[in-house]
Amino acid sequence: ETGVTQTPRHLVMGMTNKKSLKCEQHLGHNAMYWYKQSAKKPLELMFVYSLEERVENNSVPSRFSPECPNSSHLFLHLHTLQPEDSALYLCASSQETPPSYGYTFGSGTRLTVV
Amino acid sequence: GQQVMQIPQYQHVQEGEDFTTYCNSSTTLSNIQWYKQRPGGHPVFLIQLVKSGEVKKQKRLTFQFGEAKKNSSLHITATQTTDVGTYFCAGVMAGANSKLTFGKGITLSVRP
Repeated sequence: ETGVTQTPRHLVMGMTNKKSLKCEQHLGHNAMYWYKQSAKKPLELMFVYSLEERVENNSVPSRFSPECPNSSHLFLHLHTLQPEDSALYLCASSQETPPSYGYTFGSGTRLTVV
Repeated sequence: GQQVMQIPQYQHVQEGEDFTTYCNSSTTLSNIQWYKQRPGGHPVFLIQLVKSGEVKKQKRLTFQFGEAKKNSSLHITATQTTDVGTYFCAGVMAGANSKLTFGKGITLSVRP
């Protein structure tokens, strides 16, 4: 594994459901990120946390709500999603932000909204 | 805003051929990173370039940072089927409060 663990790996949810994605890093990094990866689009940065403080929120709809209870854990709470939110959601971590030596990505959660 | 461009998005080569792809930024970068994502996988960090004109090698892969620090190249010598995947470049704009911006990536397929 990469040192960044994401659960679940796959998630199918209805538009009225509430679910959460979880990310845990065992690398001692200080920064954690949520990215959205859709087909034929660049990786879209959603949220950045540095030392548990949110430092960036890239105009993400309020139906996505991040939470960072400590430097090792990051959550993405989902509610009333739309079908266009179906994508691969990637968590990443780095020693600092911006990263001076690359991100470590998790394996991602493949989300399907029906 | 800052843009990092990778064109084309897809390239097909015969196994054994060399492959080169480029990454161009609209602004000067403090560093540039390359990642590889295998089909069905997640991006994996390959390398970072910091200095103007820097060249780094990893086995058959050669990475170069342009003299003006606004572009970069990835060259693969004698491609193999294991090289299949999407290669992303990502740049950090020079200056404060900058962030890592990813290109769209180039998806390489290799015909055996």
